[in-house]
Amino acid sequence: DVKVTQSSRYLVKRTGEKVFLECVQDMDHENMFWYRQDPGLGLRLIYFSYDVKMKEKGDIPEGYSVSREKKERFSLILESASTNQTSMYLCASSEYRSSYNEQFFGPGTRLTVL
Amino acid sequence: RKEVEQDPGPFNVPEGATVAFNCTYSNSASQSFFWYRQDCRKEPKLLMSVYSSGNEDGRFTAQLNRASQYISLLIRDSKLSDSATYLCVVSEGLTGGGNKLTFGTGTQLKVEL
Repeated sequence: DVKVTQSSRYLVKRTGEKVFLECVQDMDHENMFWYRQDPGLGLRLIYFSYDVKMKEKGDIPEGYSVSREKKERFSLILESASTNQTSMYLCASSEYRSSYNEQFFGPGTRLTVL
Repeated sequence: RKEVEQDPGPFNVPEGATVAFNCTYSNSASQSFFWYRQDCRKEPKLLMSVYSSGNEDGRFTAQLNRASQYISLLIRDSKLSDSATYLCVVSEGLTGGGNKLTFGTGTQLKVEL
């Protein structure tokens, strides 16, 4: 069964802290994605990666960075957390081949920055 | 203007009703189209892909009109378990392979007894 896991369901951090959100998929997918979801704004793409050590900016990359050292793992890093980064963060993965490929999502991490 | 626009709802309908959701998208280069379903406090999951010829999956029918840049989802004989948020999604291909999804903000459906 397809599985995307995220390291935490809930996380509370303080302003200025460095925050790591981890995502692991067991489907051998090439593509991995990080989104944030906010009421009234929907899901917005932060960063994505289509190969190990490759990364591309999405629509809202400011304040974030990513790391993909292994195919199955994609990390989102908040270098200095701010209150406007309080959100639900969702990781997803998909196969390489075509634009018709389904994206599989993890359960999400609800991050609160105080 | 948002890239993908949906009526946020909520749509409150009785069990057994037929309900239709609409969606418009602004990028004429979009390649593929989907409806995802998101239950409360859960992750989005693919409901169905949408093709120009229209496609049906049981009680669900999806239609795409590329000329009008319009996508629809029809749910017949709605069930309590259909209560969820329905996300309209458009896709463009990535240089490295795979696809980049752009999501609408979702339409909330509540099916009531």
